[in-house]
Amino acid sequence: DIQMTQSPSTLSASVGDRVTITCRASQSISSWLAWYQQKPGKAPKLLIYKASRLESGVPSRFSGSGSGTEFTLTISSLQPDDFATYYCQHYNSYPYTFGQGTKVDIK
Amino acid sequence: QVHLVESGGGVVQPGRSLRLSCAASGFTFSNYGMHWVRQAPGKGLEWVAVISYDGSNKYYVDSVKGRFSISRDNSKNTLYLQVSSLRTEDTAVYYCARDMEMVTITGPDYWGQGTLVTVSS
Repeated sequence: DIQMTQSPSTLSASVGDRVTITCRASQSISSWLAWYQQKPGKAPKLLIYKASRLESGVPSRFSGSGSGTEFTLTISSLQPDDFATYYCQHYNSYPYTFGQGTKVDIK
Repeated sequence: QVHLVESGGGVVQPGRSLRLSCAASGFTFSNYGMHWVRQAPGKGLEWVAVISYDGSNKYYVDSVKGRFSISRDNSKNTLYLQVSSLRTEDTAVYYCARDMEMVTITGPDYWGQGTLVTVSS
């Protein structure tokens, strides 16, 4: 199985900050990676797919990059609505696996 | 718009079974693969299973193989997850989710609100 490792596990930031979350795969997954945002008590929301493609309706301050084994999610200017937990997930081969999550909270 | 509503969760004793359902609307259900993903209380997301658009292909995470069965009824726009031989570690919110592509299987895009399964004696 492919293991997905996110860093950091928790990130404290302020509104307006540039935030970067890293996701590493235990083997190459090409660009078969998605990023999700989840708020407490809510379902996850797709932000980015195929490593760098922005889902329709997602603000352009979110961007994704990477291929192979190393990927990043960047929020260019953190907004109050962005405080949440973020997960990466690969869909290269079964079983699909998620990273352990990165909680972005208020500094 | 895409709408997914899970049901069938509840409190169940270890070793017992449940059938979870997911009613879909707002899209052509028979064109999309569908996923189940679960989240234990206070924990991260775990992908559980996927079924192809026509039900011909099914894949599971190892921890549920032989105990869980994913199926669908395209005439009823409904996805199912039969969960059997339940263990305390199966306690979680179970989400159904649509695949982001038609016909092929990739990853989930739209998600339901989830149904809670609690396994406890």
